[in-house]
Amino acid sequence: QVQLQESGPGLVKPSGTLSLTCAVSGGSINYENWWSWVRQPPGEGLEWIGEIFDGGSTNYNPSLKSRVTMSVDKSKNQFSLKLTSVTAADTAVYYCARETVGKTSGGEYWYFDLWGRGTPVTVSS
Amino acid sequence: EIVMTQSPATLSVSPGERATLSCRASQSVSSNLAWYQQKPGQAPRLLIYGASTRATGIPARFSGSGSGTEFTLTISSLQSEDSAVYHCQQYNNLPYTFGQGTKLEIK
Repeated sequence: QVQLQESGPGLVKPSGTLSLTCAVSGGSINYENWWSWVRQPPGEGLEWIGEIFDGGSTNYNPSLKSRVTMSVDKSKNQFSLKLTSVTAADTAVYYCARETVGKTSGGEYWYFDLWGRGTPVTVSS
Repeated sequence: EIVMTQSPATLSVSPGERATLSCRASQSVSSNLAWYQQKPGQAPRLLIYGASTRATGIPARFSGSGSGTEFTLTISSLQSEDSAVYHCQQYNNLPYTFGQGTKLEIK
């Protein structure tokens, strides 16, 4: 079965760059899915950061767009997140997730069907 | 962006009873609405997509309804393992947005 695993530094200095990778195992990054990053600050709700498609097309949350870059490395079957100029407000658990489309009698609907376990990132000097 | 508002923030219900969780969108999201369950220290787990379709392996006591701006997640005959935070999420417009979550406590 397909699994996602985030990896990267757990501590980043203010004004530095947060870099995370999501490894896909048991399956491959393909044209059928979009791949997303979602974060959750301590005690708060979920925030969608952005998504990337097989060919490299991306969509980012406008609130983070100026600082976010996502990429895909199909040879390694992984995708990555870079967030620049981080502050304490970027402290959160970061999840990678797979987006899948489900077909029902009412139409086609996308959803996050598979999530990594999450990796905590603290921004502190 | 579309703002998702969940109510109540916390809900306490006895085992065997029914829990009703609400989610409101600031503008229509059609039926592009999903519900997730999140237990402490775990990633969210998909329960419902398309507002009312149960994901694979989800027990029948979980049901979703609604369309447009008003949505409901109903959990009938609550069990102790249903204690969790429940998130709604819209997939109609970018950026995708989540509600702030409803914490369900089992008395």
